[in-house]
Amino acid sequence: KAGVTQTPRYLIKTRGQQVTLSCSPISGHRSVSWYQQTPGQGLQFLFEYFSETQRNKGNFPGRFSGRQFSNSRSEMNVSTLELGDSALYLCASSLVSGNEQYFGPGTRLTVT
Amino acid sequence: GENVEQHPSTLSVQEGDSAVIKCTYSDSASNYFPWYKQELGKRPQLIIDIRSNVGEKKDQRIAVTLNKTAKHFSLHITETQPEDSAVYFCAASVLGSGNTGKLIFGQGTTLQVKP
Repeated sequence: KAGVTQTPRYLIKTRGQQVTLSCSPISGHRSVSWYQQTPGQGLQFLFEYFSETQRNKGNFPGRFSGRQFSNSRSEMNVSTLELGDSALYLCASSLVSGNEQYFGPGTRLTVT
Repeated sequence: GENVEQHPSTLSVQEGDSAVIKCTYSDSASNYFPWYKQELGKRPQLIIDIRSNVGEKKDQRIAVTLNKTAKHFSLHITETQPEDSAVYFCAASVLGSGNTGKLIFGQGTTLQVKP
C-alpha cells in the first residue's frame, strides 16, 4: 500500500497571505489528523476529519481550517499568515480515530 | 485537561546500554498508547504501541510498559545502537467529541547513542 503523501513539501509565503496544504491518506483510511510541529513544541494537534466531518479540534485560532473530500483526501488552510505559523505541518491517517496513525512526510511552511 | 508529560527531554547513552523514556498522562479514559520515532528530517514512524488491557509489550529490542493506576507508561530500548539516535514521542488517546478519539503527544525525547 502507498503511504501517506503530502503536497507541497516546501512552501514559502509572506505575512498576510493564505496557504492550502494537501494530504492523501493510506488507501482505506478514513481518518485524517493534522499536526503542527515546531522546535521545542512537539506535535500540536490541529484537527481531525473522518468521513468528511471534522470530529475533533485542537486549540488553534480560527485562521486554521480544514476539510475532507469523499475520497478521504484532506486539505488544511491557514489564512492571514503570521510569522509564528512557520512550522512543519504533518498529517496522519488511520482506520479509526485515535488509533494507529501513520504520518506523511510533512509540509515545511516558512512565513517571511 | 488533556496532557501528556514526557521525560527526559534529552538522553545520551553509550552504545550497548539501555535507554528508558517515561510518559505520564492525565485522562484516565485513555486506552491506547503509541510510541513514535522521528529521525532528523523524516516523518514520525510508529515503532510500538500498547493498549490499556495489556501491561507490557515487547518487539525485539524495544518494549513498552503501562501502569494504569499511576497513569504512566515507558519505552525501554535495550542494547542501543547508533541508529537508535532520534527523537521519540509518546502519545495517549483521549476521548474527543462524539465519543471519538484523538492522540495527544508528549514533548519528545532526543536520544543520542554514542558509539
